[in-house]
Amino acid sequence: NAGVMQNPRHLVRRRGQEARLRCSPMKGHSHVYWYRQLPEEGLKFMVYLQKENIIDESGMPKERFSAEFPKEGPSILRIQQVVRGDSAAYFCASSRPGLAGANNEQFFGPGTRLTVL
Amino acid sequence: LAKTTQPISMDSYEGQEVNITCSHNNIATNDYITWYQQFPSQGPRFIIQGYKTKVTNEVASLFIPADRKSSTLSLPRVSLSDTAVYYCLVGDRGTGGFKTIFGAGTRLFVKA
Repeated sequence: NAGVMQNPRHLVRRRGQEARLRCSPMKGHSHVYWYRQLPEEGLKFMVYLQKENIIDESGMPKERFSAEFPKEGPSILRIQQVVRGDSAAYFCASSRPGLAGANNEQFFGPGTRLTVL
Repeated sequence: LAKTTQPISMDSYEGQEVNITCSHNNIATNDYITWYQQFPSQGPRFIIQGYKTKVTNEVASLFIPADRKSSTLSLPRVSLSDTAVYYCLVGDRGTGGFKTIFGAGTRLFVKA
C-alpha cells in the first residue's frame, strides 16, 4: 500500500506565476489535509477536504489560494500570482473515514518545497 | 481552541530515556492526544495516540493523568536517529471546523 504521494517534490516559480501542488492520498483514505511549514517552524493548517467537499478552509488565505479534492484524481492546492512569502514546504496528509482532524491518525506525504524567485 | 505548550528543545544522550511533557489545559472531552515525529525535510510521522491513563506501543509510551491537562511522551533508550522534532496535538473542532493545530514542537537532540 503506497503512502501519500505529493508532486512535484520541488517547484520553482517566479513572482506572479501560478503554482499547482498535487496530493494523492493513501488507498482507502477519504480525508485530505494541507499544511504549510516555514523553516524552523511548526506546521500551519490550511484546509481540510473530503471527496468533492471543502470541510474547513479556515487556515487558508482567502485570496490567491484554493484547494480541491475531486471525485477522481488527486487533491490540488493552487496558488495564483505567487509572491516570495509563499515560499515554504507544503505538506499533504490523508486519513481514513471516521474521526476527523487531530483525533484521527494522519499520514503525511514527503512535501512540496515551493521556491518563489 | 485547544492549545498545547511544549519545551522548545531538549538534549539527551544515547541509551537514555527521554520524557517530553505537553500541557493542554483546554482539552475537550472528546479530544484525543496525539504525538508526531518529524525529521528534517520529511513530513511528520504518527508516533502514538491516547485518551487517558497509559498507552504503549513498540516505539513509545504515553502517560496521561486523570485530569488530562497534560501528557508525557516517553522514549525509552533513545538513539542518534531519534533526533527530530516532536509535536503534541489535541483534537480541535473549532467553530464547526476540524483544524489540526501543530505547535512549535520540541526539538530533541540526541548526542553520542
